Amino acid sequence: DTAVSQTPKYLVTQMGNDKSIKCEQNLGHDTMYWYKQDSKKFLKIMFSYNNKELIINETVPNRFSPKSPDKAHLNLHINSLELGDSAVYFCASSQEGEDAGELFFGEGSRLTVL
Amino acid sequence: AQKVTQAQTEISVVEKEDVTLDCVYETRDTTYYLFWYKQPPSGELVFLIRRNSFDEQNEISGRYSWNFQKSTSSFNFTITASQVVDSAVYFCALSEADYGGSQGNLIFGKGTKLSVKP
Repeated sequence: DTAVSQTPKYLVTQMGNDKSIKCEQNLGHDTMYWYKQDSKKFLKIMFSYNNKELIINETVPNRFSPKSPDKAHLNLHINSLELGDSAVYFCASSQEGEDAGELFFGEGSRLTVL
Repeated sequence: AQKVTQAQTEISVVEKEDVTLDCVYETRDTTYYLFWYKQPPSGELVFLIRRNSFDEQNEISGRYSWNFQKSTSSFNFTITASQVVDSAVYFCALSEADYGGSQGNLIFGKGTKLSVKP
């Protein structure tokens, strides 16, 4: 079983559309994250959720909104897509305590905005 | 402000050579965590090591070793007897959080692309 799974793996869409990327983890972790990797491979955190509460919200446009229906899921919704949103989006999870920060990443979702 | 610098953008070595990937960090906190992650050509991100700021002991895991020196704010990664399968982008990262959850708020360096040729 895949520990952190994201769907879809590839997403091609037009500017102005609204899209979602889903993420699920079966590790029983307390915290989930969304990271963005741009075309230069630079990784930056976007959001994290701990026990269904948003605890980190970096300065991302409000067109991006995370939604967590339960502890095992953290979905990413993007409204009014722009060309600059093209990137690979990684979902991740981690456990609190001694292993905190050891992130388990999904395989990534490559978003292309045309 | 927190920052991670990986000055080596790309490194190319021949198989069986040893290679060291440099990482220099900046932080004002006394409690912080350092990480290395590997991203092979297939694209996934793989956790390699986590080190807290109070543990300066060097770590060895097989062909991998890490040298943490607070005096120079460095956390370097050495691969001994490199193999083609080591070809990947390697990221160093820093976390300043000292409470649960946001320890996963990692500040990544820009990565070093390692190519190991047969």
